[in-house]
Amino acid sequence: RKEVEQDPGPFNVPEGATVAFNCTYSNSASQSFFWYRQDCRKEPKLLMSVYSSGNEDGRFTAQLNRASQYISLLIRDSKLSDSATYLCVVPPGSARQLTFGSGTQLTVLP
Amino acid sequence: DTAVSQTPKYLVTQMGNDKSIKCEQNLGHDTMYWYKQDSKKFLKIMFSYNNKELIINETVPNRFSPKSPDKAHLNLHINSLELGDSAVYFCASSPRLAGNPEQFFGPGTRLTVL
Repeated sequence: RKEVEQDPGPFNVPEGATVAFNCTYSNSASQSFFWYRQDCRKEPKLLMSVYSSGNEDGRFTAQLNRASQYISLLIRDSKLSDSATYLCVVPPGSARQLTFGSGTQLTVLP
Repeated sequence: DTAVSQTPKYLVTQMGNDKSIKCEQNLGHDTMYWYKQDSKKFLKIMFSYNNKELIINETVPNRFSPKSPDKAHLNLHINSLELGDSAVYFCASSPRLAGNPEQFFGPGTRLTVL
């Protein structure tokens, strides 16, 4: 199993839709997880951190399932501005570096 | 008042040339990184420096040599450029090596080797 795996998409959804992405990880020792957002031709930026079972920030909810070793990102009421690539990020047990997933591309359509 | 800046933003060069990319952060962070993002958008760490000390050196050809003159700067020098070096190179910084892995990225340097 790869260290971090994501469905590359693309996910094309209409405005207002709810969309969810999953990310699986291989290192059971990982304690914290992150979702970064990368707009086209821009740098990645931190979107959300997940330290326990989950985290919610407005329309965005991140959940962690340690037993199955996956994290998910749910976006409700999608906006055009949500169009981006969403990167799942997992620190290894030593937390010396981050491992980035290959990203899930989301396009929200008018 | 850019937090993490990189120069140049675009770099087009011939195979075999030597080039450098510069990175500076004004966040007061202790740790800086270089990442390579290839055409498939995979973001892979190359190097990490903590307080000017090399901490992480992934399996990167030794044609790539990072240099950190102080903890606010991390430059990347590439010798004998090859076609496969074409990618976007991102510099990043974080407050410390472990415990707070939020990283702040520079805008990237798009390198094209012809």
